[in-house]
Amino acid sequence: DVKVTQSSRYLVKRTGEKVFLECVQDMDHENMFWYRQDPGLGLRLIYFSYDVKMKEKGDIPEGYSVSREKKERFSLILESASTNQTSMYLCASSHPRLTGGFYEQYFGPGTRLTVT
Amino acid sequence: AQSVTQPDIHITVSEGASLELRCNYSYGATPYLFWYVQSPGQGLQLLLKYFSGDTLVQGIKGFEAEFKRSQSSFNLRKPSVHWSDAAEYFCAVGGTDKLIFGTGTRLQVFP
Repeated sequence: DVKVTQSSRYLVKRTGEKVFLECVQDMDHENMFWYRQDPGLGLRLIYFSYDVKMKEKGDIPEGYSVSREKKERFSLILESASTNQTSMYLCASSHPRLTGGFYEQYFGPGTRLTVT
Repeated sequence: AQSVTQPDIHITVSEGASLELRCNYSYGATPYLFWYVQSPGQGLQLLLKYFSGDTLVQGIKGFEAEFKRSQSSFNLRKPSVHWSDAAEYFCAVGGTDKLIFGTGTRLQVFP
C-alpha cells in the first residue's frame, strides 16, 4: 500500500515564525501536492511538483513556498506565518503510470496548523 | 472554467437507508472522476474512480457511482448506509495533472 506521512498531526506556531511542514511518500511517486482545507471551501491546491527540484504554483500559492530536494520528500514552508494560515494542510502524491493513468492521488493524514 | 459542484453541504440519513450524494462538474475534455471520503481528523481515502468504459463503477465499502455525460454528473450511491459511513465526501475531477475538488458533503447517520 502507498503510504504518505506528514511530520506532525498538530502544530501551534506564533505569528511571524517560519514553519516547515514535511511530507514523505514511500512509493516512488513522481507527483506530489500540498493542499489546504478549510470549512466550506474544500481542498485548495497550494503547490505541486512533478519531479525533484521542480515546482508549480497551484491556486493559492501566496505566502507559501515549497522544496523538493529528494523524490520522496516535499516540504511546505510558511516564511512568516500569519493567523489566516491557520488551517488543515494535506499532502498527496500520485504516479499516473503506476495507476494506469488514472492520476488518483494518495493523501497523508494531514497537519492541523494553528497560528496564534 | 473547470469546476466541481457538490450542491448538498450536509445530508442526514438513518442507518439502513439508501444514500445518494450529488456531484456535477464542468470540464473541457474527457474527465477523470473520483470520489474520496474523509473521516474526522483523517486524510482523504479514495472510494472509486472513473475514466472510461462502464458508466457504473463500483468502489470500496459498498459504494457505487454513475457517470452521466449528458448531465455532467457523477453521483455517489449506497443502498444501505452504516453508522461508520458518517464522514465528509469529496468529488473530484481531473485530467493529466491536477485534481479539482468540490467543497464536500458532510454525511450524518442516525441510528
